[in-house]
Amino acid sequence: QKEVEQNSGPLSVPEGAIASLNCTYSDRGSQSFFWYRQYSGKSPELIMFIYSNGDKEDGRFTAQLNKASQYVSLLIRDSQPSDSATYLCAVNMNSGYSTLTFGKGTMLLVSP
Amino acid sequence: EAGVAQSPRYKIIEKRQSVAFWCNPISGHATLYWYQQILGQGPKLLIQFQNNGVVDDSQLPKDRFSAERLKGVDSTLKIQPAKLEDSAVYLCASSSSSLHEQYFGPGTRLTVT
Repeated sequence: QKEVEQNSGPLSVPEGAIASLNCTYSDRGSQSFFWYRQYSGKSPELIMFIYSNGDKEDGRFTAQLNKASQYVSLLIRDSQPSDSATYLCAVNMNSGYSTLTFGKGTMLLVSP
Repeated sequence: EAGVAQSPRYKIIEKRQSVAFWCNPISGHATLYWYQQILGQGPKLLIQFQNNGVVDDSQLPKDRFSAERLKGVDSTLKIQPAKLEDSAVYLCASSSSSLHEQYFGPGTRLTVT
């Protein structure tokens, strides 16, 4: 069973702090990794993707990938109350097609 | 660029009734996905189309769920007959054939009573 694991949270951080969201996956051959943000009652919104080991930065967001440890993380700098949402980690597990396996998501709460 | 369109946005039916959902992907996107998302869970892939063909339907309950994608554009997902446990949000997503990034539509919230 190929799995993606996330802590369900909630992860509570004060406004302006760094939020760190973590994800592990079971398939060592996984190729690509995605972070989606989902506000309550809304559909998932793609915010970051990463294919290679290391860090990838986009504005306040940084995705970090360590394939040896089968670990991917999302850092949100200068967290804002508007960042409060559920963050879904999704992994393409060694497929010739773009099939994604999603984790259950981590709820992030940013307090003013 | 228009996003993924879905309809209806909400549907309430009684168990054993049938229901159909419609999806129009982003223009030019060859790959279309249907997901089921139960409250508190991540999306679960039901079926994936590449143009007209089915790539993955391993998690589709084929005794009651069916899907088609005629002409490689729009798609419909049908449930017949519905069960209480089918209450969920049904999400449609699309991606271009050369990229893996998937973009989601607004979803259809189904309540089975």
